[in-house]
Amino acid sequence: AQSVSQHNHHVILSEAASLELGCNYSYGGTVNLFWYVQYPGQHLQLLLKYFSGDPLVKGIKGFEAEFIKSKFSFNLRKPSVQWSDTAEYFCAVNPGGNNDMRFGAGTRLTVKP
Amino acid sequence: EAGVAQSPRYKIIEKRQSVAFWCNPISGHATLYWYQQILGQGPKLLIQFQNNGVVDDSQLPKDRFSAERLKGVDSTLKIQPAKLEDSAVYLCASSLIGGGTDTQYFGPGTRLTVL
Repeated sequence: AQSVSQHNHHVILSEAASLELGCNYSYGGTVNLFWYVQYPGQHLQLLLKYFSGDPLVKGIKGFEAEFIKSKFSFNLRKPSVQWSDTAEYFCAVNPGGNNDMRFGAGTRLTVKP
Repeated sequence: EAGVAQSPRYKIIEKRQSVAFWCNPISGHATLYWYQQILGQGPKLLIQFQNNGVVDDSQLPKDRFSAERLKGVDSTLKIQPAKLEDSAVYLCASSLIGGGTDTQYFGPGTRLTVL
């Protein structure tokens, strides 16, 4: 079945550590890719998105993601995490541009001060 | 700019009862979505409206779930009768146009517990 996979359920890091969260999808053809974040007690909000052009996308709060078409991946990165980055991160894929968004199960990030 | 509003925030019901959720999207947004998020999973799209027409309801369990978007603005999602497995957070989102690259803006969700 077509899906979106996030490899890590829970990641624990210390402040200033580097972050990489994996996301793989199994849809062929054109895809639009998103990372959403949910901070504790808040609603889901967009971190960044990719639909064409430079495969390295920069988002808010110092996050970036790289689209590697050959690997069907869209990994999220941040060079130095802060305690305030503690949240749940969701990768989402919109296959075929029809706005039928498919979400991964999410990765919970805990940053220790 | 006001965000997506949802009510109630929490609801506890017994199985076989009915329940309704309300959503008010961002002003001017043509597209409205309802998602179901079960604990430990990502949101799953239930239904998508473009103005007051249904674009996609392929994952809506139509034997018990229904949704409407009157006048292309507010929307309600109803479950009748509820089952234990309907316990989840129900998220409403809206976007300006509804195209594949459009950003979806999410509301705070309604947490439903079915006993």
